[in-house]
Amino acid sequence: LAKTTQPISMDSYEGQEVNITCSHNNIATNDYITWYQQFPSQGPRFIIQGYKTKVTNEVASLFIPADRKSSTLSLPRVSLSDTAVYYCLVGKTYGANNLFFGTGTRLTVIP
Amino acid sequence: DAGVIQSPRHEVTEMGQEVTLRCKPISGHDYLFWYRQTMMRGLELLIYFNNNVPIDDSGMPEDRFSAKMPNASFSTLKIQPSEPRDSAVYFCASRSPGELNEQFFGPGTRLTVL
Repeated sequence: LAKTTQPISMDSYEGQEVNITCSHNNIATNDYITWYQQFPSQGPRFIIQGYKTKVTNEVASLFIPADRKSSTLSLPRVSLSDTAVYYCLVGKTYGANNLFFGTGTRLTVIP
Repeated sequence: DAGVIQSPRHEVTEMGQEVTLRCKPISGHDYLFWYRQTMMRGLELLIYFNNNVPIDDSGMPEDRFSAKMPNASFSTLKIQPSEPRDSAVYFCASRSPGELNEQFFGPGTRLTVL
């Protein structure tokens, strides 16, 4: 499994854009990058997945540079309800390879 | 669909007792995962099944832990005998076939072993 490194915590004010970067220097050719969000007292929830360049959905954007050794999750105009732990995972989409959650990044949104 | 269903939501038991956690995955999903989450160790994969067959149980901490999946709609995680260090939140998750690696997690069972 490719190891990932994320900041332990981040603070942001409401209404700001938040960018959380994940390093994955040993990413393999067939690996995808997946992000999950976990609220207190809940299970993690899938946010977004990508392979290269940019992926956008109704919740977030995922930016992946050409070398794919890092990725950035971008949350536009965060609100207090975005306070959560965000996990970056790297692995293949088939089988069950995408299973190491790590410690994640604890995002705190401040009013 | 109601999502992944876990029961009980909370369990308090005494050391040495048997504990059984239950999970009903989303219909049509062919992968089922059991995780454990603690403050110290984060979210750890214990075991996963594909089409009801256990594929990898290397994360199961010791022989006191066992998991079964008798059919596509039900799985159990059993701890016998339980110990205080087993106290954690246990999550069950399921995943559909296909390319998107999206796991759907249940609400978890908070286990406290006294």
